[in-house]
Amino acid sequence: ETGVTQTPRHLVMGMTNKKSLKCEQHLGHNAMYWYKQSAKKPLELMFVYSLEERVENNSVPSRFSPECPNSSHLFLHLHTLQPEDSALYLCASSQDLSRSGDQPQHFGDGTRLSIL
Amino acid sequence: TQLLEQSPQFLSIQEGENLTVYCNSSSVFSSLQWYRQEPGEGPVLLVTVVTGGEVKKLKRLTFQFGDARKDSSLHITAAQPGDTGLYLCAGAHYTGANSKLTFGKGITLSVRP
Repeated sequence: ETGVTQTPRHLVMGMTNKKSLKCEQHLGHNAMYWYKQSAKKPLELMFVYSLEERVENNSVPSRFSPECPNSSHLFLHLHTLQPEDSALYLCASSQDLSRSGDQPQHFGDGTRLSIL
Repeated sequence: TQLLEQSPQFLSIQEGENLTVYCNSSSVFSSLQWYRQEPGEGPVLLVTVVTGGEVKKLKRLTFQFGDARKDSSLHITAAQPGDTGLYLCAGAHYTGANSKLTFGKGITLSVRP
């Protein structure tokens, strides 16, 4: 297995459901990220983890709850989402956070989330 | 807030044509990355430019970082249908000891056979 793998690829859920998105990286990286990609908007950074510790939370509503049990896995737990949360959710990893802007970020193919 | 403006937003051209697209900001970045994202996939890094005025070539793609490190351009020579995709630029800036990326909205390129 290579790169960054996200599951599921597609998810449709009601506003009262609870679901989780999963991300796994096989690159030996120490930093992992969650992004939200909506039409006609820039990629929005949601959360940053470094060595399983959350180092950034960009004013994301509490209905999104990240979890990083180890440096290879990242989850995004979803609860009571709103229709405006429908988007493509991308996971990425990089070697570490130092000079992360100069390092490539390796993205998964995303989970397309639709809220009914 | 670091903002990156990409232009044009949409571009549809015929195979074989040349094109240039832009990524502009009023902020200075320590480096700038270009990614290409194809439908149903995540973004894939094409290049990172670090030095003001730097030019990097990747086959038919030429990337330039502005002298003041506030803007960048991507020139594609003899575009092919395989170049179709969303082109994202991302500027890096430091917050303390770490750096973070700010992305533009992207440029949707369609190359017709």
